[in-house]
Amino acid sequence: DTAVSQTPKYLVTQMGNDKSIKCEQNLGHDTMYWYKQDSKKFLKIMFSYNNKELIINETVPNRFSPKSPDKAHLNLHINSLELGDSAVYFCASSPDRGSEQFFGPGTRLTVL
Amino acid sequence: GIQVEQSPPDLILQEGANSTLRCNFSDSVNNLQWFHQNPWGQLINLFYIPSGTKQNGRLSATTVATERYSLLYISSSQTTDSGVYFCAGGNDMRFGAGTRLTVKP
Repeated sequence: DTAVSQTPKYLVTQMGNDKSIKCEQNLGHDTMYWYKQDSKKFLKIMFSYNNKELIINETVPNRFSPKSPDKAHLNLHINSLELGDSAVYFCASSPDRGSEQFFGPGTRLTVL
Repeated sequence: GIQVEQSPPDLILQEGANSTLRCNFSDSVNNLQWFHQNPWGQLINLFYIPSGTKQNGRLSATTVATERYSLLYISSSQTTDSGVYFCAGGNDMRFGAGTRLTVKP
């Protein structure tokens, strides 16, 4: 069983479209995260949710909106996609805030 | 926020060689982690090591929390060790820029 899963694995779309990436963890963790990895491999945290509540919201455009329907899921919705949004997006979870994190396989988003 | 510096940025080794990677933090952290990102992009947990020393096979890590640094040791390197090694820590999990390791046969 995959501990942290993301769908889709690859996403190719046109500028201006709206898309969602889904993340699910079956580890029973309370905290989930979204990260963006750019073309230079730099990993930057975007959001963190603890028990469905937003606890970290880095400076990202408000076109990015996380949604946590329950503590096992944290989805990322992106409106009006731009070329600069092309990156690999990773979801992660941890038992609680500040403890060991486990990452999903990543979603490679390409905006044309 | 916390600044994380990793060194060296790039490292090329011959198979069988040993290496040490370093991670410095600008402030104390209590949740330091090391990851390996393989050539396929997967992020693999290596160590969760807020302090002390841990070993796992050919890899070991030491964190000196009071001096805000951590070291990752790779012994008898293999080509499958190639990839990017990241350290991260802090309440908002800041990542370093990584060390890109290439192990040549």
